[in-house]
Formats: sequence, C-alpha cells, structure tokens
Amino acid sequence: DQQVKQNSPSLSVQEGRISILNCDYTNSMFDYFLWYKKYPAEGPTFLISISSIKDKNEDGRFTVFLNKSAKHLSLHIVPSQPGDSAVYFCAASGGNTGNQFYFGTGTSLTVIP
Amino acid sequence: GAGVSQSPSNKVTEKGKDVELRCDPISGHTALYWYRQSLGQGLEFLIYFQGNSAPDKSGLPSDRFSAERTGGSVSTLTIQRTQQEDSAVYLCASSLRSGFYNEQFFGPGTRLTVL
Repeated sequence: DQQVKQNSPSLSVQEGRISILNCDYTNSMFDYFLWYKKYPAEGPTFLISISSIKDKNEDGRFTVFLNKSAKHLSLHIVPSQPGDSAVYFCAASGGNTGNQFYFGTGTSLTVIP
Repeated sequence: GAGVSQSPSNKVTEKGKDVELRCDPISGHTALYWYRQSLGQGLEFLIYFQGNSAPDKSGLPSDRFSAERTGGSVSTLTIQRTQQEDSAVYLCASSLRSGFYNEQFFGPGTRLTVL
C-alpha cells in the first residue's frame, strides 16, 4: 500500500513564480519528513526535512509546511528558477516503520524561463 | 569521487538469468540502503545494513532477492532467476549513521531491464 502519495505527477511554473508541491501520508506514526530532488540519470539528493514537532522549516528559497491533522506536507519554492526543474520526492519515516523510509511517486517540476 | 557509486549503470538480461548489482558507499558511512523504483512508482525500500548488525530484509519482495555487505563497505544485490517485473532502477544510498535523522546520499542507480 502506498503510505506516501504525491497525486500530481507533473507541475509547470513560470520562472520567478511560486512552485507548490504537495504530499499526503496515511501513517499517523510518521514523525520525520523529507524532500528529495532528482535530476535525470542521477540519484535523489536531499533537499529539506521537517520533524513532526514543527509545522514549518525554511532553507533559502525552499520551505516545507507540515499539517499533521491533515497528514499533509507541501514544499514551496520561491522564486522558482529553471534549475529547479527536476523530479521531487517526498519521504516519511518514524514510529513503527523500523529502518524504512517511505517515498512518494514523485512530481516532475518544470520551470519555464 | 566522494559520492556513492553503483555499477553497472545499465543492465539488460534475459528472463531467468541471475544478476548482481554493486554499490560502493561513501567511505565511513555505516548505514547502507537498497531501493528500487519501478516505472510510475515511488522508491521502494528493499534492505538496510547497519554496521555489523543483521540486515533488515523486510522489504525484499521474494526469496529470489538477496544482498550482502562485505567488510562493512561494498554491497552486492543479487537477483536470481530474474523476471520481467524485476525491471526497475535499483538505487543504493548510504548514511553516516543509522536512524531517521541522518541524511541518505544516493548513488545514480542501476537500470535493470529483463527481457
């Protein structure tokens, strides 16, 4: 079963505007959430994370928001740049998941110059 | 290089053959993970190694899949009697320590195609 879901397979945004990528999860025991970015032919690279004791974490142009009651997190990229074009995966872990990280299916972001 | 490396980058094999995929983690990283990504799917956890502890094999999809990690460094994922549904990108990641809060560094993956 897919415990982490990214329902938008793709997103296109104009350069300079905000990109919002969404992620939903089903396991209320998850307490740590991550976003990874993946370019073609490369492995995913860590972007930003948030633990369940917070509802927001910011790092430069990237901000992750966590809504525990809705079991929803989002990644905001402001302003979006062409180099941000990549596939973004959200992942979750914690609680009774042992050593496993559960990943979503990814959202392909295209930033149009 | 200083990153995680995987070989081969691409592997095409015939159904029923065995394949071995290799992962060289970052030096000094004690934790090593294998994942696979099938077409249209997220990354699926396969197996986890931490130091000399017994690996967590809970994600392996069948007994045709096995992995070992020699000397706490290089890891090999072996798939016996490959099936077409094994076609996927197999990703390896390592982290400095075990635990959820330690960043995983991924290799570029091995794309396996079973004909």
